Amino acid sequence: AQSVTQLGSHVSVSEGALVLLRCNYSSSVPPYLFWYVQYPNQGLQLLLKYTSAATLVKGINGFEAEFKKSETSFHLTKPSAHMSDAAEYFCAVTGYSTLTFGKGTMLLVSP
Amino acid sequence: EPEVTQTPSHQVTQMGQEVILRCVPISNHLYFYWYRQILGQKVEFLVSFYNNEISEKSEIFDDQFSVERPDGSNFTLKIRSTKLEDSAMYFCASSGTGGADQPQHFGDGTRLSIL
Repeated sequence: AQSVTQLGSHVSVSEGALVLLRCNYSSSVPPYLFWYVQYPNQGLQLLLKYTSAATLVKGINGFEAEFKKSETSFHLTKPSAHMSDAAEYFCAVTGYSTLTFGKGTMLLVSP
Repeated sequence: EPEVTQTPSHQVTQMGQEVILRCVPISNHLYFYWYRQILGQKVEFLVSFYNNEISEKSEIFDDQFSVERPDGSNFTLKIRSTKLEDSAMYFCASSGTGGADQPQHFGDGTRLSIL
């Protein structure tokens, strides 16, 4: 069985500040991990994925995430936030094929 | 870039009525999924579909739900007798091979409102 915990339903940052969105997972099998982003009135767009290759994964829009097995974490970061990054972010885990999502974190970016 | 498309974007239905949500997956994808997101809650897996049959389903996917691939392009979710608690955003997704390392591509969702 898999589960995902995203700490913080809302994260607020200033434009230009570091973005850190936290994700911890549990999985009974070696996990594959994903971050998706959802802009208002849109579907889920894949940001990046971890599939057992490099532990530091780079995605679109300047985001990256690091898989840390010892901490069962897959936190999402971006060095400098843009206003356009304001959206809801979902971490998801799978061991087979179906995705198990976290509750999501709303990222708010202020000028 | 190929997209998963879902229609309608918003469906309002009276309780007890049947509703069909439609999806057109990416054309060369073989695996299809439905997820739902009740307002304020997690995105939850409903069902996966491959080779014209259900490959996996969650406990949410009870007898009132069914899926079908009526032709070579569409993938539908039918809710036979809707309940108030079926109100949610329903997402369709598809992937090429269904392997766990393959990302699922999502549509923009259908917001289902049951009155």
